[in-house]
Amino acid sequence: SQQGEEDPQALSIQEGENATMNCSYKTSINNLQWYRQNSGRGLVHLILIRSNEREKHSGRLRVTLDTSKKSSSLLITASRAADTASYFCATRHWGDKIIFGKGTRLHILP
Amino acid sequence: NAGVTQTPKFQVLKTGQSMTLQCAQDMNHEYMSWYRQDPGMGLRLIHYSVGAGITDQGEVPNGYNVSRSTTEDFPLRLLSAAPSQTSVYFCASRAGTSRNEQFFGPGTRLTVL
Repeated sequence: SQQGEEDPQALSIQEGENATMNCSYKTSINNLQWYRQNSGRGLVHLILIRSNEREKHSGRLRVTLDTSKKSSSLLITASRAADTASYFCATRHWGDKIIFGKGTRLHILP
Repeated sequence: NAGVTQTPKFQVLKTGQSMTLQCAQDMNHEYMSWYRQDPGMGLRLIHYSVGAGITDQGEVPNGYNVSRSTTEDFPLRLLSAAPSQTSVYFCASRAGTSRNEQFFGPGTRLTVL
């Protein structure tokens, strides 16, 4: 399977702290994306990083990509209660398929 | 724009019954796909389409059929439902091959008894 694997599966942190979650994948990619899913809802696109990029920022989000290790990380700085959600990495391999990982459940404690 | 819409929101079937999950988008997106989401398994790609008349298999296509007769609609058919198909089903679309951001529908929660 080409499916990515997020790590950790679940993460609880205090509001205001930074949250880091990781994604590993198996085969070469065109790009990697991160999505957020609030409970019971559809997924929402957060950020995309291409295979020739190493780091990308968007607001409080920072994504890194290491193609030699086939891994990516998502950092959310200064977490808020509204960041409580599941986060998924999605890899686009050469072609049109976009494959999702199993997700990290993030819980921000007040 | 309504974005990506899915019907029904909830459905209960008996083993062996057939049904069609509907998905429509009003963004003129070329690419549409179906995923299923199961606890601990993330989202798995069932089928996808890169344009009207073109479909292809994803990771877990068995037991499901799709067709794409129009740009707007991408229905998913279960020919003979099985308990293993109990899941939440999401439809997604994106603009085209060069565009990567996927827009998701709200999901259909299916239970097969």
